[in-house]
Amino acid sequence: SQQGEEDPQALSIQEGENATMNCSYKTSINNLQWYRQNSGRGLVHLILIRSNEREKHSGRLRVTLDTSKKSSSLLITASRAADTASYFCATGPRKTSGSRLTFGEGTQLTVNP
Amino acid sequence: EAGVAQSPRYKIIEKRQSVAFWCNPISGHATLYWYQQILGQGPKLLIQFQNNGVVDDSQLPKDRFSAERLKGVDSTLKIQPAKLEDSAVYLCASSGGAGLYNEQFFGPGTRLTVL
Repeated sequence: SQQGEEDPQALSIQEGENATMNCSYKTSINNLQWYRQNSGRGLVHLILIRSNEREKHSGRLRVTLDTSKKSSSLLITASRAADTASYFCATGPRKTSGSRLTFGEGTQLTVNP
Repeated sequence: EAGVAQSPRYKIIEKRQSVAFWCNPISGHATLYWYQQILGQGPKLLIQFQNNGVVDDSQLPKDRFSAERLKGVDSTLKIQPAKLEDSAVYLCASSGGAGLYNEQFFGPGTRLTVL
């Protein structure tokens, strides 16, 4: 099974609403990152949270990390149609050298105008 | 700043044929990654280079996949011979270092279809 597993697999909301996506993982990590992928495009880095951090903000994004539950959430506030994309969490395992990231299956977010 | 460049963008081949993908990372980025992304799944790391040396190729199917980064800049990924299950998007990414907290910058990918 995947190291990072996103929930839900798909989410459909109206413009202006908030979107929350969750990620669970199994092994110890040193950081967790969220990426966005628009249809047919490469991934874009959104935010990185270290294992000793609990919450981080970037614009309309808020990420939380609970290492005791091995879970993270990504909140997008006041969503826009342009936020429609797939969102992936990626973990950097503590015991792995280098910077290998393990990606989850992703959440497909649709924001309806 | 120019992003990660990949070519071709699309490739259709028949099984048992060979194919090669090219990647040019962001200028100055020492670390380069190749990922395979099957439709509906997240990217899976195939190989990581630090300059022209291999850091991690534990998930590379070495019987058919090979990659090189001879001068520590551009990289090529080759599949020989291709199988139906190799149909996927092949993503190249680069980062400024190999540390634990480096953001990775992705190219647009090459969509491979094996018939």
